[in-house]
Amino acid sequence: DAKTTQPPSMDCAEGRAANLPCNHSTISGNEYVYWYRQIHSQGPQYIIHGLKNNETNEMASLIITEDRKSSTLILPHATLRDTAVYYCIARKAAGNKLTFGGGTRVLVKP
Amino acid sequence: AAGVIQSPRHLIKEKRETATLKCYPIPRHDTVYWYQQGPGQDPQFLISFYEKMQSDKGSIPDRFSAQQFSDYHSELNMSSLELGDSALYFCASSTIRRATYVADTQYFGPGTRLTVL
Repeated sequence: DAKTTQPPSMDCAEGRAANLPCNHSTISGNEYVYWYRQIHSQGPQYIIHGLKNNETNEMASLIITEDRKSSTLILPHATLRDTAVYYCIARKAAGNKLTFGGGTRVLVKP
Repeated sequence: AAGVIQSPRHLIKEKRETATLKCYPIPRHDTVYWYQQGPGQDPQFLISFYEKMQSDKGSIPDRFSAQQFSDYHSELNMSSLELGDSALYFCASSTIRRATYVADTQYFGPGTRLTVL
C-alpha cells in the first residue's frame, strides 16, 4: 500500500470547516483513499473513502486531486466531538488489511 | 445498526498466563481482522480470516493464534503473556465481494483493553 503523509496536528474552531490534507504521491491506480478517525482509545471509526471522484456523505466530504497524489477531508461544521486522530490510508482494491500511520491529531476548540 | 462486538472489554492477566479475546462481526460480514494498538501507537494489523481461513498475516507473535468459527465469530488466543502485550486489541469486520475478492469497508469494534501485570 502507498505511504501517506499527514500533518501531525491541527487546531480548528468549533462551527468552522476543518480541512485535513493528505499526501499519497506514490498511490497506484487501484488504491482507494480511506479516512478513519479514532476518538481517544475508541475503535477507529470509518468516515469516507474514494478512488478518483470526490465523495460526500453525512459525515464529511473527500476531495481527491485529479492526479490522485493528494486528497483533503472536509468536516463541514466541526464540533467539539470531532476532536480525534484522523488517519488517511491508501488501500489496494484487492488488499485486506489497513495500514495506519501517524495520522493528524485534530483539536476542535470552542 | 448492529456493530462489531468484542468481549471482554477489559482483561487483566499476569505474566505467562493465557488470554482469549472474542469478536462477533456485524451480521452477514464474513471477514474479520485483528489489530493491536500499544500505548501511544497506531493500530497495527495482526491477522485476518475469510470464510474460516486465514487470509492475511501481519506482525502477529508466534505466541498468538486465532481462528474463525462457522458462525463467523473469531477468537484471538494469546499465550505466555508478556508485559509488552498490554495494549488495546481491536477487531474489525467486512464483507468480501466474491466475484473479485475485494474487501469492502472495515468496521471496528470497541476493543479489548488487555493489561499484563
